[in-house]
Formats: sequence, C-alpha cells, structure tokens
Amino acid sequence: SQQGEEDPQALSIQEGENATMNCSYKTSINNLQWYRQNSGRGLVHLILIRSNEREKHSGRLRVTLDTSKKSSSLLITASRAADTASYFCATDKTSGSRLTFGEGTQLTVNP
Amino acid sequence: DVKVTQSSRYLVKRTGEKVFLECVQDMDHENMFWYRQDPGLGLRLIYFSYDVKMKEKGDIPEGYSVSREKKERFSLILESASTNQTSMYLCAAGLDSGLTSNQPQHFGDGTRLSIL
Repeated sequence: SQQGEEDPQALSIQEGENATMNCSYKTSINNLQWYRQNSGRGLVHLILIRSNEREKHSGRLRVTLDTSKKSSSLLITASRAADTASYFCATDKTSGSRLTFGEGTQLTVNP
Repeated sequence: DVKVTQSSRYLVKRTGEKVFLECVQDMDHENMFWYRQDPGLGLRLIYFSYDVKMKEKGDIPEGYSVSREKKERFSLILESASTNQTSMYLCAAGLDSGLTSNQPQHFGDGTRLSIL
C-alpha cells in the first residue's frame, strides 16, 4: 500500500467553512509535503514540514505533524471556491531520497 | 519561480509506436522525475535523474526508458507503446541535498497520453 494515504478520499464543503484533510504513513520520514492539483494540471507545492516540527502555517493553511502517530493534517481555513482541487501528501522516507505520494483527497468547495 | 514545461498537453499514439515525452526546466535543478498518474493509484515514480547522463529506476520502470543529455531536459521514452500505458504523465524538477529530498518538487502541467 501507499506510504502516504489521505483521508477522506473526497470532501465537499460550503464556502467559508474549514476543510481538514489527513495523511497517514507507515515508515519513519525526514519530511512530509503537501501538494495541490487543479483538474488537468500539474501538482503545486504548498508546504513542507520536517520531522522535528509539529506545526507550520502558510496563509490560510495549517499543517500539523504527529510522528508518534505517523500522521499529518492539512487545514484550510475560510475555504473559497478556488480551493477546489485534489490535495496530496508526499513523504520522504529516512531510508531513501524519493517522495512517495498518496492518492489524494478531492476537495470541492461549493459557492 | 521554477518553470517546468512538458512539450505536449495531449498526445494520441498507436500500439507499438516509439513515443517520446519531453520535459524542460529553467532553473538549473539537479533532480528531474517522471511520474504517471492513474485514478485510484495516485502518482507512481517511473524514473528519476540526479545529474546529466545519470538515471535511476523508480517503482514502475518496465516498458520505459529515459534520457538526460542536458541538465535542463529529461525525456521519457516508451519503447513500444501499449494500451496499458495510457495515462497522465507528469514531469517534475527539484533541488536536492545529498540523498534526502527536503526540497519541493516543481511539476509541469502533464501530458495526457492515449495509446490506441
């Protein structure tokens, strides 16, 4: 199975609400990254959190990392219709140099 | 900002053809990657390269090869295209330090390849 697995697979909310997506992984990591993909486009890097960090903010994004539970969450506050996209977590195992991506969460923000 | 450009957004080829997917980056990044993206399977790494003329197999290299003759260009080659290679192909570039990928990867917009 995937090193990173997002939950839920799909999320539908109203504009202005907060959206929370989760990512679980199996082996120890150096860092965890979140990416966004608009339909039919490439992935765009959102935020990187290192294994010794617990929380990181960027604008309306808040990422947490719990290495004891091998999980991370991405919170988007005050969501907008333009936030509609797929969101992926990617992990870098301590034993290797490559990123492993999860299958993503499809977020739909309804106006 | 890093710009990664894939030569085609859409491509239709026939089984048995030799197919070339081209990717160019403009920021002198050492690492370049080719992924394919399929529904329910997420992104899977095909090949990557950490320097000119260097290549490493990813998770699903069978049926593919790559070429990196110049730092800015990384080509994916389907030696004899088959229908199960119909997919979205994504190229990425990234800086790196040693073996730890602690830098973001920058993606192109993808090539949607159909093999008939």
